[in-house]
Amino acid sequence: DAGVTQSPTHLIKTRGQQVTLRCSPKSGHDTVSWYQQALGQGPQFIFQYYEEEERQRGNFPDRFSGHQFPNYSSELNVNALLLGDSALYLCASRPWGTYNEQFFGPGTRLTVL
Amino acid sequence: EDQVTQSPEALRLQEGESSSLNCSYTVSGLRGLFWYRQDPGKGPEFLFTLYSAGEEKEKERLKATLTKKESFLHITAPKPEDSATYLCAVQARSQGGSEKLVFGKGTKLTVNP
Repeated sequence: DAGVTQSPTHLIKTRGQQVTLRCSPKSGHDTVSWYQQALGQGPQFIFQYYEEEERQRGNFPDRFSGHQFPNYSSELNVNALLLGDSALYLCASRPWGTYNEQFFGPGTRLTVL
Repeated sequence: EDQVTQSPEALRLQEGESSSLNCSYTVSGLRGLFWYRQDPGKGPEFLFTLYSAGEEKEKERLKATLTKKESFLHITAPKPEDSATYLCAVQARSQGGSEKLVFGKGTKLTVNP
């Protein structure tokens, strides 16, 4: 049973560029959440997708947007990259409406120069 | 606003030296409290979920407990392979079933042989 997968593993961009990160949820999971983890900090919630709609959003600007596809996979897009966007981006999944644990992927390390 | 505070920020133990990590939380109606382990550069790995005060969960050398204001992760006779950052997160009740996780900054545990 494959767990949560994310691609790419690492990414280097320059300020002002745009980036797209991808996530495939664990088998049987239909809800995907994205988190940003800066160095030495805990993960911060960006947003959550279910049934191809954004259901909840954290305190992140509109430069951060997402999408969920019919197969439950998801993308995170960040426009006009800033140096402060450098972080580990984590995807987590669980079945909608449950209060069980969320399973995390290995993350994408984004470096903005 | 929901908040999680973990202490200490860092902890060094000798192999076999038992100790506890603390997670204090304020939340508007606790849905669940989660403990994760995170190795450097990797995604969080799920350890435990606790739902109500008085609940305890155990796994190998780890035991998690929950009160109305805090949770403890007890580590008995730790080994060097227990070295990692331990993250605590809470999930608050909200309408719609789309509850996000709110994380603490984590406790970095180092176990020396």
